[in-house]
Amino acid sequence: IAGITQAPTSQILAAGRRMTLRCTQDMRHNAMYWYRQDLGLGLRLIHYSNTAGTTGKGEVPDGYSVSRANTDDFPLTLASAVPSQTSVYFCASSDRAEGHEQFFGPGTRLTVL
Amino acid sequence: GQNMDQPTEMTATEGAIVQINCTYQTSGFNGLFWYQQHAGEAPTFLSYNVLDGLEEKGRFSSFLSRSKGYSYLLLKELQMKDSASYLCAVRDSNYQLIWGAGTKLIIKP
Repeated sequence: IAGITQAPTSQILAAGRRMTLRCTQDMRHNAMYWYRQDLGLGLRLIHYSNTAGTTGKGEVPDGYSVSRANTDDFPLTLASAVPSQTSVYFCASSDRAEGHEQFFGPGTRLTVL
Repeated sequence: GQNMDQPTEMTATEGAIVQINCTYQTSGFNGLFWYQQHAGEAPTFLSYNVLDGLEEKGRFSSFLSRSKGYSYLLLKELQMKDSASYLCAVRDSNYQLIWGAGTKLIIKP
């Protein structure tokens, strides 16, 4: 059982390029989340999905989009990357929005130049 | 607005006890979480409190006072492997987690 996986592990991207970060979980969790983590700041929620077919905006959604076509996958797309999007991105899931625990993927380290 | 506050860094000695505090002001309250994050790794779940009082789990305990907007994580019998960042988070009225910036705990032999 893999749990929750993310790809790529790291990426260097030129500003203006489009990029999709992948996230897959095999725990049949209903809720999934995308966070970014920057030094000195807490994890900040970008987008979330409480169940397949639905998505919602978090604290910092601008410049990012998500889709949730099925239970397992929750890709995050940067339409036109900017240097301020340099960060570590974590995908997480929980059995439901009211669940007691979020399980985190290993993260993607993204650098936008 | 929403605000989470925890110390940036703490240092403790192997075998000792350390208490990491977290204060919060959020839109609604549906539970408080503590996570551990080793450098370069993902956060992992430690504890969940929704009612006032102390929850004990092995060497780790977590306390909550909702009226004071306050929680602490107590780590006993510190081991070198406990060197990590400790993140507190509150689930707000929208069932989203609001995270503190984390407390980096340094354990010295």
